[in-house]
Amino acid sequence: AQSVTQLGSHVSVSEGALVLLRCNYSSSVPPYLFWYVQYPNQGLQLLLKYTSAATLVKGINGFEAEFKKSETSFHLTKPSAHMSDAAEYFCAVTYTGGFKTIFGAGTRLFVKA
Amino acid sequence: DSGVTQTPKHLITATGQRVTLRCSPRSGDLSVYWYQQSLDQGLQFLIQYYNGEERAKGNILERFSAQQFPDLHSELNLSSLELGDSALYFCASSSSDVVPSDTQYFGPGTRLTVL
Repeated sequence: AQSVTQLGSHVSVSEGALVLLRCNYSSSVPPYLFWYVQYPNQGLQLLLKYTSAATLVKGINGFEAEFKKSETSFHLTKPSAHMSDAAEYFCAVTYTGGFKTIFGAGTRLFVKA
Repeated sequence: DSGVTQTPKHLITATGQRVTLRCSPRSGDLSVYWYQQSLDQGLQFLIQYYNGEERAKGNILERFSAQQFPDLHSELNLSSLELGDSALYFCASSSSDVVPSDTQYFGPGTRLTVL
């Protein structure tokens, strides 16, 4: 069964520090992977997605993620955190032959001044 | 602004009641998805419609139903409401139904509170 695991429900970093949000997936078929961000009282917004074209995917707001098949991971990174990055981040997976998108439990990112 | 609209923004009702949530997809999008977001269950896929037809079902209760109309807007009907139905309900839309890499665009959500 397909699933998504986000390690760490809360991550706290200092402004200017590296952001690393972890996501591991379980899929028996090639997955399509997504990272979404949710700001308070708003809907989800796509940050980036992996569609098998390139393993390193660049998204909006300086975020990027690398697809590692051997590790079944799709971790999200940003070199330098900004206060405006404070939000909840969701990793999600869809797969060929399926219509459902499965979301991880989410990781809330806190950015300290 | 994603282009997906949802009404109402907030809804407060009592147990046993029935409510209808409305969603208008982005212009040109034919697929509509409904999700429920709660603290204990996280973000759960409920149901998907494409051009008026049901395409996929997730963890949707029998007390819940949805439909997509010819103008492509969708409604989610929740009946015999229970306290545990209190959640944020999101609608999302995408252009197709068979492309798993398709981006879903989310609306701002409807916050349902059942008292």
